[in-house]
Amino acid sequence: KNQVEQSPQSLIILEGKNCTLQCNYTVSPFSNLRWYKQDTGRGPVSLTIMTFSENTKSNGRYTATLDADTKQSSLHITASQLSDSASYICVAAGTALIFGKGTTLSVSS
Amino acid sequence: DAGVTQSPTHLIKTRGQHVTLRCSPISGHKSVSWYQQVLGQGPQFIFQYYEKEERGRGNFPDRFSARQFPNYSSELNVNALLLGDSALYLCASSFYSGGLLGETQYFGPGTRLLVL
Repeated sequence: KNQVEQSPQSLIILEGKNCTLQCNYTVSPFSNLRWYKQDTGRGPVSLTIMTFSENTKSNGRYTATLDADTKQSSLHITASQLSDSASYICVAAGTALIFGKGTTLSVSS
Repeated sequence: DAGVTQSPTHLIKTRGQHVTLRCSPISGHKSVSWYQQVLGQGPQFIFQYYEKEERGRGNFPDRFSARQFPNYSSELNVNALLLGDSALYLCASSFYSGGLLGETQYFGPGTRLLVL
């Protein structure tokens, strides 16, 4: 069964700290993996897209990694800001886009 | 340039009614995809259209239907509404494959549907 699992379900960190979100996927065939940021009540916004041959991709303070052998991805956020508070969704693409349930990140001052 | 637009922003219906949601993609994008997002869950794929043809369909009942017009805008129709249809309905546009081949999908703000 094609599925994407994310951990943790929720996370609270202090402003300025770093954090890492995890994503495990079982999607076959596999084409690409993407991370989205979704603010409450808004549509998701793309952060990174990686094909199966890419290991890492950065977008400002966001760095995603991909291990296609172990079918794992991570999203690392550096020097968190209050505006990083959102849900972060991992999506694996095969014959369809399979979305994870997301990790809810809260950054406090 | 305008992003993906959706209308209406909010909608309240009662069980058994019908609803039509609308989406206008980014200029130049020919693919539109629809997603249902229940509170606390990730989006679930409903349909993908490209050049007015259905290219993909998720695991949703026949009460859900959609179409794409010559100007690439799209409508999602849901008949015989159930309480469980209450959700945020998202539309996403992209150049061609709905994200399957690696291009970026751009999401609209969504339509929040409440079924009473």
